[in-house]
Amino acid sequence: DIQLTQSPSSLSASVGDRVIITCRAGENVNRYLNWYQQKPGRAPKLLISFASTLQSGVPSRFSGSGSATHFTLTINGLQPDDFATYFCQQSYTTLWTFGQGTKVDI
Amino acid sequence: QVQLQESGPGLVKSSQTLSLTCSVSGDSISGSNYYWSWIRQHPVKGLEWIGYVHHTGGTFYNPSLKSRLLIAVDTSRNQFSLRLNFVTAADTAVYYCARTAFGDFLREFDYWGQGILVTVSS
Repeated sequence: DIQLTQSPSSLSASVGDRVIITCRAGENVNRYLNWYQQKPGRAPKLLISFASTLQSGVPSRFSGSGSATHFTLTINGLQPDDFATYFCQQSYTTLWTFGQGTKVDI
Repeated sequence: QVQLQESGPGLVKSSQTLSLTCSVSGDSISGSNYYWSWIRQHPVKGLEWIGYVHHTGGTFYNPSLKSRLLIAVDTSRNQFSLRLNFVTAADTAVYYCARTAFGDFLREFDYWGQGILVTVSS
């Protein structure tokens, strides 16, 4: 299985901040890396696919970049609705795996 | 709008079988080229892909669960199901069903159910 390691595990930020979350893959996953947002008691929501493709309806303050083993999710101008947990997920190998999550709070 | 809804018992006794159903609306399981997945979320271990089914009957199972697992599709009801045998406390989790894209570039879980908490009791 390909292990995904997110950093940091949690962070505290303020409205308007720029937030960067990193996801490192144990092996090359090309650009098959997705990002999800999860709020308490809710299912994960797909934000970005194939490393940098923003899903329809997702605000443009979210962006993704990277390839191979190093990826980042950036939130430019954090909004109150963005306080949540973020997960990366690789879909390069037969068995898709998730990162452990990064919790963004105030 | 695609919607998925999990249903089934929230409490299962240890060594018995966990059975869940996912009802899909807004898309036809038999008419689309999507796959249909089960994913679970442990409080500590995090998110784990259990496996998927295609309307043709094709399946993929997580090797760690394969010996206890059956995922099936019922196209007449636009539903798919999960059966996990011989459960233990380690199977206690929130279980999600999700539509799964499996293309050349887009490989993702694009729609999710709300999730159902299943607790395994001794």
